[in-house]
Amino acid sequence: EVQLVESGGGLVQPGGSLRLSCAASGFPFNNYIMNWVRQAPGKGLEWVSYISPSSSIIYYADSVKGRFTISRDNAKNSLYLQMNSLRAEDTAVYYCVRGGKIEWEPPAVDYWGQGTLVTVSS
Amino acid sequence: DIQMTQSPSSLSASVGDRVTITCQASQDISNYLSWFQQKPGKAPNLLIYAASNLQRGVPARFSGSRSGTDFTFTISSLQPEDIATYYCQQYDNLPLTFGGGTKVELK
Repeated sequence: EVQLVESGGGLVQPGGSLRLSCAASGFPFNNYIMNWVRQAPGKGLEWVSYISPSSSIIYYADSVKGRFTISRDNAKNSLYLQMNSLRAEDTAVYYCVRGGKIEWEPPAVDYWGQGTLVTVSS
Repeated sequence: DIQMTQSPSSLSASVGDRVTITCQASQDISNYLSWFQQKPGKAPNLLIYAASNLQRGVPARFSGSRSGTDFTFTISSLQPEDIATYYCQQYDNLPLTFGGGTKVELK
C-alpha cells in the first residue's frame, strides 16, 4: 500500500524558515517523480514543486521560486521542502504527492499524503 | 500557464440524482486531465485519469469524458458518501493547474 506521511509543519513568523519532510513507503520511491502541492485554508489546490527520481530535474511555481528548495534522499525514501523567507500567503496545508516514473511523459500525479499545516503569522 | 475553468462552483442534489461537472482548459491539453475528490479534512483522492479512465477501486458510477478542450465529470447516481469537493487538474505541462473546485452537497 502506498503511504506518504508529511511532517514538519507548524507556526512560523513572517520571514522565518521551515523544513517539511515526507516519508514514503509501499512503492519503489527511487523510481518516482515527487511533487509538493499546497492548499490555503478554505481555498483550492496549488502545485508548488517537482523533482525527478534522480533529482536532476526540478521545477518550482513562480510564487515560491527563489525561496523554497525541494530535495529528496532516495536511500531514506524521503522527500523534503525547505521553505525560507516565509510569507503570510504561504499559509497552507502542504501535501506530498507522487508523480509518474518517466520525466519526459506528462506529469500525472496519483497518491497524496495527509498533509501538514504551515501557518505563517506573527 | 494553462487555466482550468471549472463549473459550477457548487451544486445541491438528491441521492440518486445524476450530477455533472465541467472543466474547460485554456488550450489543448489532449486527454491529460484528472479528476480528484476531496472530503473535508482529507487529502484529494484520484478518481479519473486521462480524461476517462477510472482509477482502480473507484466505483463505476463515476465517469469522465472529453470533447476538445471541454471535459465532463459525471456521477450517475449520487450517493451520500459522494458529498465532497471535486477538482479537475491538467497534467499536459508544468505548472500543474487545477480547476477552482465544485462543492457537491445534498439537497
